Amino acid sequence: DAGVIQSPRHEVTEMGQEVTLRCKPISGHDYLFWYRQTMMRGLELLIYFNNNVPIDDSGMPEDRFSAKMPNASFSTLKIQPSEPRDSAVYFCASSPSRAQQAQYFGPGTRLTVL
Amino acid sequence: QKEVEQNSGPLSVPEGAIASLNCTYSDRGSQSFFWYRQYSGKSPELIMSIYSNGDKEDGRFTAQLNKASQYVSLLIRDSQPSDSATYLCAVRYSSASKIIFGSGTRLSIRP
Repeated sequence: DAGVIQSPRHEVTEMGQEVTLRCKPISGHDYLFWYRQTMMRGLELLIYFNNNVPIDDSGMPEDRFSAKMPNASFSTLKIQPSEPRDSAVYFCASSPSRAQQAQYFGPGTRLTVL
Repeated sequence: QKEVEQNSGPLSVPEGAIASLNCTYSDRGSQSFFWYRQYSGKSPELIMSIYSNGDKEDGRFTAQLNKASQYVSLLIRDSQPSDSATYLCAVRYSSASKIIFGSGTRLSIRP
């Protein structure tokens, strides 16, 4: 079975540009999570969805970040405008709806903002 | 604020020995506990989950949970160089679907 799919795997952009990261969760998983990982701050939860509905976006750093999940098989994380401090690895993860289930991570998108 | 604490390491263990990784958490209402392994440049990979007090074994890995002490550990027997990675402890609290991750312990297995 395919795992969580993310694209692009690497993104290099200039400050001020819009960046869109994409994620396809594992089929049948009802929860989708977006994380950011840096050396300084570790793994941070940005936002998560249940059945395509955003449940908790308290980790989104500021209004420049937005996330959508238009259907059960696709989600986007958008940064507009991007800044150098946004440089990080962004992970998408999904989990089933049953209680106690773990999250399964995609390969990540390494974002560099120049 | 709910927290998950780990020693950042690095923890250096000789090949063939037992590696012991520890984690404490702050909320007694926690229900589910996970250990993830993350190789440099890769994504976290689930290696163990544990839900009740006691030990759970899977191959060379043993997870131990003590809810009274709010403590979860991971033992790796017969450590191999391929076990060198960062190990993340993660906890799901009863009131939420999200998981809180520790900052990770870097493990190095020396030949």
